[in-house]
Amino acid sequence: GAVVSQHPSRVICKSGTSVKIECRSLDFQATTMFWYRQFPKQSLMLMATSNEGSKATYEQGVEKDKFLINHASLTLSTLTVTSAHPEDSSFYICSTSVGEAQPQHFGDGTRLSIL
Amino acid sequence: KQEVTQIPAALSVPEGENLVLNCSFTDSAIYNLQWFRQDPGKGLTSLLLIQSSQREQTSGRLNASLDKSSGRSTLYIAASQPGDSATYLCAVKALGYNKLIFGAGTRLAVHP
Repeated sequence: GAVVSQHPSRVICKSGTSVKIECRSLDFQATTMFWYRQFPKQSLMLMATSNEGSKATYEQGVEKDKFLINHASLTLSTLTVTSAHPEDSSFYICSTSVGEAQPQHFGDGTRLSIL
Repeated sequence: KQEVTQIPAALSVPEGENLVLNCSFTDSAIYNLQWFRQDPGKGLTSLLLIQSSQREQTSGRLNASLDKSSGRSTLYIAASQPGDSATYLCAVKALGYNKLIFGAGTRLAVHP
């Protein structure tokens, strides 16, 4: 069964809207979750590492004020795309693992389309 | 800086063929390597995880090998089926870093 639950699976909204994406670990606690972005026919690019109870770590070039990450509990991390614009349209995916030596498991992704 | 390369970028084969997908990485100081499958518009499904101390892992018709010293991994798919059509991604976790570095993937099409 699924290890990671991500929703919504698809969002279509107007430019200027803020969009929240949730990522939940099922049946285990995840102190760390990862948020990726994927453009069509390209690979995954890590955006940020979400740490439970502390600030997220952002990759170079990712605007922390644009992509707000909250990891308020051991089973839930949220990514909020603030004031989204068409160039933010992409496929966003979260992942986590039970332990450092264990496989990374991914959510089903969120297709974000900004009109 | 760790870089991951996958060859070929795309592959189209008839059903029943045995396939080899290649993954190379520039820095051999890795913690583990993982192979994933991604169907169009979907998330990633973990196929095999190889720890740095291991040489290979097998699951059903899939076999993944790891040669850390040369910076290479291969994913072998036996007796391919149309249902194997997907993009296959490899990713390495570098020592000291709690994140995965992905290759660009191999898009596989298996036709009946």
